[in-house]
Parts: sequence; C-alpha cells; structure tokens
Amino acid sequence: QSALTQPASVSGSPGQSITISCTGTSNDVGAYKYVSWYQKYPGKAPKLMTFEVSNRPSGVPDRFSGSKSGNTASLTISGLQTEDEADYYCSAYTTKTTVIFGGGTKVTVL
Amino acid sequence: EVQLLESGGGLVQPGGSLRLSCAATGFTFSSQTMSWVRQAPGKGLEWVSAIVGSGDSTYYADSLKGRFTISRDNSKNTLNLQINSLRAEDTGVYYCAKDWGAMDVWGQGTTVTVSS
Repeated sequence: QSALTQPASVSGSPGQSITISCTGTSNDVGAYKYVSWYQKYPGKAPKLMTFEVSNRPSGVPDRFSGSKSGNTASLTISGLQTEDEADYYCSAYTTKTTVIFGGGTKVTVL
Repeated sequence: EVQLLESGGGLVQPGGSLRLSCAATGFTFSSQTMSWVRQAPGKGLEWVSAIVGSGDSTYYADSLKGRFTISRDNSKNTLNLQINSLRAEDTGVYYCAKDWGAMDVWGQGTTVTVSS
C-alpha cells in the first residue's frame, strides 16, 4: 500500500496561514474519521497535533486545525510561527485494519 | 507521568535478529492498543505493527508481514517487536506509541543499524 500523498514542502511567512494536504483513497482517508496529523522535529519523537480529522489534544494551540473532504485531509496552521517549522505527517486507519502515513511535508517559515 | 521508553536497538549484521522492547508507565497499559512506527534515515514515518490491549489481535503493514512479530507482556507493562532476517532497509529509528488511530504518546526511539 502506497503512502498517502502530501506535498514535499510548504512555506509561509510569520503570521500567515498555510494548508497541507493529504490525499488518499476511499480505503483509507475517505473510509473513516480516523485521520491524524503529527508534527516532527529532527531527532525528536512525533507529536500528535490533531486526531479524528479535526480534534486537538490538550495543549495543542488552536492555530492548528484539521479537516477532511472525501479522500483528502488537510491541516491548516493559522498565524504561522517560527516554532512551527518542522515536518508534518498525516496518518489514516485503513479498511485493511492497518495504519498508513503520508510521505511528510516540510514546513518552512520564511 | 505517561511515558514510553524503548530499548534493544543496536548494530546487527544482515540476516540477524533483534528484539526491541518498550517499557510503559503512567497509564493502564493492558487497556491500550500499542504500535511500532519506524523512520529510515532521511525518510518518512512508516507504521510497522499494532497489538490490542489483550494481545489477542495483532496487525502488520503488508510490506513487513513475516519478519516482524509484535507481542506484549501486560504483567510487566512491556511491548516487544521481534525482527528476523534483518535487511539494510530495516535501518532506522523505531518508536513505540500508545494507540494506533491517534498515537498520542511516543517513546524517544531506539536506533537499529543493519550493516556488515
């Protein structure tokens, strides 16, 4: 099973909003509400940013919001800050009872 | 405090075996599905396997079936991953994580290097 499709990189200036897309199929992203987004800094463990499409764990700023339409999920970062510069990964539960990640998106704050 | 601590990584020759472990503290381990996720150098995250709280059901990435075996010891709050017939492409950092649909707690990772 191929990874979910994410853009390799997205950039924005401080204060701007950016959106990262995550495209899958009706067997993963489009199948269930179990789509999550993770933030990862080099050498550090991933951090859950959103789950079940649009829910945020306690402590995650509300600048981070998730959504889904059909087979494509999105993560929007509003009011971009320098500390948001990291890699972001989407994941989805699949109809084969597995989990699949996206290829990852490098966010650069200009 | 909820915490996961992996161990067992190291340098191993191609064809060898390795057993990774993950010690869990701060939550009811036996009630939680647990996962292993890996990241090869310069690559993205790859889900490897998951096991339900009771240990009765296990799940694997299609590409990895056969060489990987996930298990758990709920009496010791420990998650394990046995990897056999190691290949160079298995090199990377292996993370254990709590849950699988929404992995909300991660360990710091243990590094596996497969090289002769």
